[in-house]
Amino acid sequence: GEDVEQSLFLSVREGDSSVINCTYTDSSSTYLYWYKQEPGAGLQLLTYIFSNMDMKQDQRLTVLLNKKDKHLSLRIADTQTGDSAIYFCAEIITSGTYKYIFGTGTRLKVLA
Amino acid sequence: NAGVTQTPKFRVLKTGQSMTLLCAQDMNHEYMYWYRQDPGMGLRLIHYSVGEGTTAKGEVPDGYNVSRLKKQNFLLGLESAAPSQTSVYFCASKGQRTQQFFGPGTRLTVL
Repeated sequence: GEDVEQSLFLSVREGDSSVINCTYTDSSSTYLYWYKQEPGAGLQLLTYIFSNMDMKQDQRLTVLLNKKDKHLSLRIADTQTGDSAIYFCAEIITSGTYKYIFGTGTRLKVLA
Repeated sequence: NAGVTQTPKFRVLKTGQSMTLLCAQDMNHEYMYWYRQDPGMGLRLIHYSVGEGTTAKGEVPDGYNVSRLKKQNFLLGLESAAPSQTSVYFCASKGQRTQQFFGPGTRLTVL
């Protein structure tokens, strides 16, 4: 079945790079997403990548997609304390309708 | 634009009580979704709607009902609340693009 997996925790020092990894199962996904959730808030779209791309860069964020291995990663350069949050990857299932499968979320803790 | 709003923000129920969570969006989106978020389990889809008057079951629909009488509103009902329904509930909507927009969430505790 459809499944999206992430590691639960990541801790980095302020100024270092963070890399959050995700594996997904549906090879037909056209878009893959990264969402950020701050404490007590809803999910906010950070970035997304179309399935025919290998990489997308947006300021401090770099998304890498390896379709062969069904692996997605989010790199945050120069990580700041304000980046502390839960990060979710998600894939979209478009067979019949639009449904989204979310990973378990990775809690990023940035140490000052 | 307010985007996606949810009411209430917090609620405490006793086992067996009923309640309705309201989601509203002002973006004229066709698709709307209800998720629940539990620690270590990410977001799980409860029900969704592809347009006014239509609803469909998601991954964890048992114990919940939904209605989409108006395009802008998507209601989630709990007829007889159980402690297992203690969770944070998120509503989301989607328009022509594939991006989902999320509400701020409703934190529900069932005692």
